[in-house]
Amino acid sequence: QEKVQQSPESLIVPEGAMSSLNCTFSNSASQSIWWYQQHPGKGPEALISIFSNGNKKEGRLTVYLNRASLHVSLHIRDSQPSDSAVYLCAVSYNQGKLIFGQGTKLSIKP
Amino acid sequence: EAGVTQSPRYAVLQEGQAVSFWCDPISGHDTLYWYQQPRDQGPQLLVYFRDEAVIDNSQLPSDRFSAVRPKGTNSTLKIQSAKQGDTATYLCASSFKSQNTLYFGAGTRLSVL
Repeated sequence: QEKVQQSPESLIVPEGAMSSLNCTFSNSASQSIWWYQQHPGKGPEALISIFSNGNKKEGRLTVYLNRASLHVSLHIRDSQPSDSAVYLCAVSYNQGKLIFGQGTKLSIKP
Repeated sequence: EAGVTQSPRYAVLQEGQAVSFWCDPISGHDTLYWYQQPRDQGPQLLVYFRDEAVIDNSQLPSDRFSAVRPKGTNSTLKIQSAKQGDTATYLCASSFKSQNTLYFGAGTRLSVL
């Protein structure tokens, strides 16, 4: 069974600093890895995805994927109070199956 | 372009009552997902469809939950006899072809007393 584990459960970061979130997954047959952002009372919104080993940058976001260690990380540069939210790691498998981790609650302190 | 629409936004039930949730996906999206998200947890996949066909319902408690998507557009998720453990937000999402971005609705928050 596919499992996705995220760490830490919660994270407090000063405004302007780097936020770093981690995710491990159990099945090497995964397709893409996704990061979603969820604000209270709203549905998750896709931020960034990665398929190949290595890194991918989009604006203030950088994702690193290591398929050998089944590990992916998300880094948010110059963190802003508006980045405060729950971040969900999700792993896609064949036929579009998408499995989520339990989430990391990020709080940015002004 | 309209997003994914879900109704109702909230539902409060006594144990043993039935409830239905309705989802209207983004027009043209062939894949539709239902997730259950308990408080302070990640979304857990219940069932997903491609067009009107069920692709995976292995995590749907089949004795009390059912889901349909008869014309490959709107979908209904039903709980026959709700339990307190069903208290959660029920999220619907849609995508165009597998491996593409999922777009989520705002969810239905269910409380079972």
